[in-house]
Amino acid sequence: RKEVEQDPGPFNVPEGATVAFNCTYSNSASQSFFWYRQDCRKEPKLLMSVYSSGNEDGRFTAQLNRASQYISLLIRDSKLSDSATYLCVVSYMNRDDKIIFGKGTRLHILP
Amino acid sequence: EPEVTQTPSHQVTQMGQEVILRCVPISNHLYFYWYRQILGQKVEFLVSFYNNEISEKSEIFDDQFSVERPDGSNFTLKIRSTKLEDSAMYFCASGLRTQETQYFGPGTRLLVL
Repeated sequence: RKEVEQDPGPFNVPEGATVAFNCTYSNSASQSFFWYRQDCRKEPKLLMSVYSSGNEDGRFTAQLNRASQYISLLIRDSKLSDSATYLCVVSYMNRDDKIIFGKGTRLHILP
Repeated sequence: EPEVTQTPSHQVTQMGQEVILRCVPISNHLYFYWYRQILGQKVEFLVSFYNNEISEKSEIFDDQFSVERPDGSNFTLKIRSTKLEDSAMYFCASGLRTQETQYFGPGTRLLVL
């Protein structure tokens, strides 16, 4: 099982719709979780950290389910500018591969 | 807003040559990282650096790679003898605390011929 796994997509979603994607992780010792977005040929940029209690930032909601070892990202009222690749990032302590990126989920918002 | 900068933006080199990629992290950050992303693939962790020494490295970061923070502002990644498979985008990142948000530079696209 891959350490951090995401559905690569692409998700093609009409503007204004709600879209959700999950990310599963294999190591139960994982400690910190993040969603980054990456535009084509650009650097990853932090979208939001993911906390056990779940957190919301405007149209974006992130959830963590430690029992099932997944995190999720929900985007409401999607906009054209949300088109990007969304990267799930998991970090551990005391491991060589300390920070693990998922391969990303591509999202296309359609006008 | 402070940002991480990287130079050069693009580098083309011959196989076997040495390259040095440069980064200027955000000034009050204490943790520094290098990642690479081969075209079409995921971002891969190379190394983290704290308190003037390597704190973690991945299996990709072999003897051909080294990092330095020579002057308290620059953070460099050196590849001693480049291979074709080193062609990738190399991202530098910095953070204030471990396990927290990392801020990425715009990357250096390295092409090894």
